[in-house]
Amino acid sequence: DPKIIQKPKYLVAVTGSEKILICEQYLGHNAMYWYRQSAKKPLEFMFSYSYQKLMDNQTASSRFQPQSSKKNHLDLQITALKPDDSATYFCASSQGLGGSYEQYFGPGTRLTVL
Amino acid sequence: GEQVEQRPPHLSVPEGDSAVIICTYTDSATAYFYWYKQEPGAGLQLLMSVFSNVDRKEEQGLTVLLNKKDKQLSLNLTAAHPGDSAVYFCVGYGGSGNKLIFGTGTLLSVKP
Repeated sequence: DPKIIQKPKYLVAVTGSEKILICEQYLGHNAMYWYRQSAKKPLEFMFSYSYQKLMDNQTASSRFQPQSSKKNHLDLQITALKPDDSATYFCASSQGLGGSYEQYFGPGTRLTVL
Repeated sequence: GEQVEQRPPHLSVPEGDSAVIICTYTDSATAYFYWYKQEPGAGLQLLMSVFSNVDRKEEQGLTVLLNKKDKQLSLNLTAAHPGDSAVYFCVGYGGSGNKLIFGTGTLLSVKP
């Protein structure tokens, strides 16, 4: 059974709209993350959460808002979508924060903004 | 901030041969290193983690070497098989900013 679930797998949106990417982990981890993989850049860190609290935000735009309704959920709301937001978004989790804790990744949500 | 350069970007080897991927990092304070594998349309699978107090680690046909003096990390897949075909990422953690810094990836093709 998949331990980290991301929904949907594929998402197509129009410019200016809003979408929510879902992530649930069943590893019992306390830290969760979002990463973005686009054609033009290496995989890049966006956010980290620990015990449902935002710990680090490396995203310049406030259009990206993580939401944690439960300890094992970390959704990503993206507003006012732009074509440059097209990318695959990966959710990850780890037992704790810090480099000694290995991060495990979900299968990703591929977002295309037209 | 930390940067991780990875080479080669593409690597093709016959089945049974070895494949070597090399990464160079910039921040000597980087304390943790990882190798991930990404198959087409899939997420990232953690292959191995290496802490900076280790020079060499071997697991299941994979060998990771860490040269802190040259700030270089390598992954050697011995006796590669077609199922090893994927994109491989080296990743650093620590140094400037507590987050994973990904290399640019190496697309490995293993020909039967």
